[in-house]
Amino acid sequence: GAGVSQSPRYKVAKRGQDVALRCDPISGHVSLFWYQQALGQGPEFLTYFQNEAQLDKSGLPSDRFFAERPEGSVSTLKIQRTQQEDSAVYLCASSYEGFVTEAFFGQGTRLTVV
Amino acid sequence: QKEVEQNSGPLSVPEGAIASLNCTYSDRVSQSFFWYRQYSGKSPELIMSIYSNGDKEDGRFTAQLNKASQYVSLLIRDSQPSDSATYLCAANTGAQKLVFGQGTRLTINP
Repeated sequence: GAGVSQSPRYKVAKRGQDVALRCDPISGHVSLFWYQQALGQGPEFLTYFQNEAQLDKSGLPSDRFFAERPEGSVSTLKIQRTQQEDSAVYLCASSYEGFVTEAFFGQGTRLTVV
Repeated sequence: QKEVEQNSGPLSVPEGAIASLNCTYSDRVSQSFFWYRQYSGKSPELIMSIYSNGDKEDGRFTAQLNKASQYVSLLIRDSQPSDSATYLCAANTGAQKLVFGQGTRLTINP
């Protein structure tokens, strides 16, 4: 595709509900990153994939957060039992050669937990 | 203390003037630094990268790095209303992740 595509663009979840956020990276991009951006803050790293391998998940805030990329392309970020503090924009980025500094960001999914 | 710190602003600059954005970082291992521009409701867009001490110029933008002082700055010359956005400073320690500051909101007044 032309760019990193994320869906849905907006999601409202009731507290306690599970959500799944999808990221379609640029075709052929090896590396994929997830970031969380709270209102008025900079993005914070969540996790990193190289192909299907999750090489760093040190930024996932709790065991309610889970990410996968089973075929090395599309990735899903799943949040179980959502809490109000999970409300944020979730950004996905991808890069061709694995350098985070060359990554392109998607438009993000704005999650609101009510 | 956050690893990367920025003044959140807002910073207001008249059109045509120089906008100066500043950033400090705490981890001396950080090797490379980046400035991203983020329009409201949009994704961050890389505008400048800098890896060594000194200045790096690209069009109207100049990035400055001082590793001894752990300080990074971005200068925007001849500011335009279209430069109004949030500017994010980020550092990379070599691991596959960027550490971002909170961003500085810049407004260019016509």
